[in-house]
Amino acid sequence: EVHLVESGGGLVQPGGSLRLSCAASGFPFSGYWMTWVRQAPGKGLEWVASIKQDASEKFYVDSVKGRFTISRDNAKNSLYLQMNSLGDEDTAVYYCARDGYGDYFDLWGQGILLTVAS
Amino acid sequence: EVVLTQSPDFQSVPPKEKVTITCRASQIIGSSLHWYQQKPDQSPRLLIKYASQSISGVPSRFSGSGSGTDFTLTINSLEAEDAAVYYCHQSSSLPYTFGQGTKLEIK
Repeated sequence: EVHLVESGGGLVQPGGSLRLSCAASGFPFSGYWMTWVRQAPGKGLEWVASIKQDASEKFYVDSVKGRFTISRDNAKNSLYLQMNSLGDEDTAVYYCARDGYGDYFDLWGQGILLTVAS
Repeated sequence: EVVLTQSPDFQSVPPKEKVTITCRASQIIGSSLHWYQQKPDQSPRLLIKYASQSISGVPSRFSGSGSGTDFTLTINSLEAEDAAVYYCHQSSSLPYTFGQGTKLEIK
């Protein structure tokens, strides 16, 4: 069965850093674009970042450029999101998602909560 | 940035009725429009890809149409389990964007 499982969330102080991880199983991870999408409490979905199969291309929403870094380890079937200089506006549930052909998100993890607060 | 505007924001519909949710893009996006369903406390689920293509495992009462700037998600014969928030999403240009969501309540 195909799965995406996020980990690494929690409470972080403003200005702090955190790395989220997403473990993939049940499908050829190295063959897919992968994406992070977030959802602030009670709000809608926001695309955060995407990474190509071989990590040769990475894209970010403007609000996280220079602060967040998406990466992957195909040998470990894992996706990562390094988040620095965190602010209140980054508080959200973060989902990793499999990106079909770099277009639609056809498999989602259960999500992991990041809370930025002092 | 492509802005997606969904209507309505909220809809309350009895079971077995037909529901239509629209998504309008601020610029032409071809058929690069996808629909998701998010039930309370669950992750989103892909319902329709490329405006009208069905997804394996999704009930056939869900269908999509449209191209260019105007798109529609239709749910025929509504069931209680369809209570959820529905989002459209465009992949025509970066940044990828989502509509604000349409909350569907079953009366």
